[in-house]
Amino acid sequence: GEDVEQSLFLSVREGDSSVINCTYTDSSSTYLYWYKQEPGAGLQLLTYIFSNMDMKQDQRLTVLLNKKDKHLSLRIADTQTGDSAIYFCAERKGGSYIPTFGRGTSLIVHP
Amino acid sequence: ETGVTQTPRHLVMGMTNKKSLKCEQHLGHNAMYWYKQSAKKPLELMFVYSLEERVENNSVPSRFSPECPNSSHLFLHLHTLQPEDSALYLCASSQAGPVQGAGDEQFFGPGTRLTVL
Repeated sequence: GEDVEQSLFLSVREGDSSVINCTYTDSSSTYLYWYKQEPGAGLQLLTYIFSNMDMKQDQRLTVLLNKKDKHLSLRIADTQTGDSAIYFCAERKGGSYIPTFGRGTSLIVHP
Repeated sequence: ETGVTQTPRHLVMGMTNKKSLKCEQHLGHNAMYWYKQSAKKPLELMFVYSLEERVENNSVPSRFSPECPNSSHLFLHLHTLQPEDSALYLCASSQAGPVQGAGDEQFFGPGTRLTVL
């Protein structure tokens, strides 16, 4: 399997919460990132979490990390149509500056 | 200009053409990257230049040739491409070196949409 796995699609109603999940394989990962890609644009860093943290909250975004299961999630509260984009999970291993990306999850927000 | 810029934004070329993609970063970073983004595939790292050292993915065909004349500029020279090379080519930069924190995250340009006929 791939080093970083994500489901390809998620559809939610405007105003609901979105939860995007990611699993990774390397327990030596030090940083885990969430990037957002809007149509016609490059990837933009949304948030990150260090491996010694379990949770990080930043306004509408909540990142949860389960190191035992190597599972990372991104929760977007009160999802808006402007949140429609592709969300990439990425990990960076200790001693390396090059991250490994997942395939990306397309989030579709409908009225 | 701020951040990472890429030109051209769109490129259509025939299989016998030679063209170049350009990337420029204005962030003072010391590492630059080329990625290929194809539909339904993971983001593919093609080349990395860091501290004047080049790291490459051995599966990248020789018809792609990178050039990094300095830490702010990165080129991808293209020749005799195939239709399957059609994709979005993304450039990124970061501050590489000893791990100092999540500030090592990558900053991406908007990409060049390449179509090979």
